[in-house]
Amino acid sequence: EPEVTQTPSHQVTQMGQEVILRCVPISNHLYFYWYRQILGQKVEFLVSFYNNEISEKSEIFDDQFSVERPDGSNFTLKIRSTKLEDSAMYFCASSSSHMNTEAFFGQGTRLTVV
Amino acid sequence: ELKVEQNPLFLSMQEGKNYTIYCNYSTTSDRLYWYRQDPGKSLESLFVLLSNGAVKQEGRLMASLDTKARLSTLHITAAVHDLSATYFCAVPPMDSNYQLIWGAGTKLIIKP
Repeated sequence: EPEVTQTPSHQVTQMGQEVILRCVPISNHLYFYWYRQILGQKVEFLVSFYNNEISEKSEIFDDQFSVERPDGSNFTLKIRSTKLEDSAMYFCASSSSHMNTEAFFGQGTRLTVV
Repeated sequence: ELKVEQNPLFLSMQEGKNYTIYCNYSTTSDRLYWYRQDPGKSLESLFVLLSNGAVKQEGRLMASLDTKARLSTLHITAAVHDLSATYFCAVPPMDSNYQLIWGAGTKLIIKP
């Protein structure tokens, strides 16, 4: 069964460092998303991406964040200068449609900023 | 601003019992999603409810949507231990085509 894969599963970084989280969405999906879940808190939308551009972003997704689809398969989230409060589980998701179908989520990357 | 509230947030129940999880949302939306999350794992899609009155069933789980009441329910019938997980509902704001606003989750523990 097709699945969304994310790497790494766990990343520890020092405050102020740049991190890149990687995702391989399901191959025939056209819509890609990043969400985060701070430990014990709600899942929060960060950004959606379609047709090689950001289609929507939340207030959380400030200038420190960027997304890219560098080739036909990968979808990345970059955090330029990490802060302690960026520590969370980051989920990538993809969907075939943005309206009537569910998004399929990867297993997540746990980011720990120290 | 759309707010999504689930209750209860924690539920411990015995195997074989029935129970219902509630998801209320504060502004109009025409769709609702239910997801399951096992500890340390990803979010697994359970149901997509696309219209008022929609009802979907999978095994011992049944979900329904009342868009007029802004309420969805996830009903568990004759619970089994394998259903222990955290269940989330998520709702798209009407002014968005892409994002979902999530409830806080209901942590369900089913004891043998």
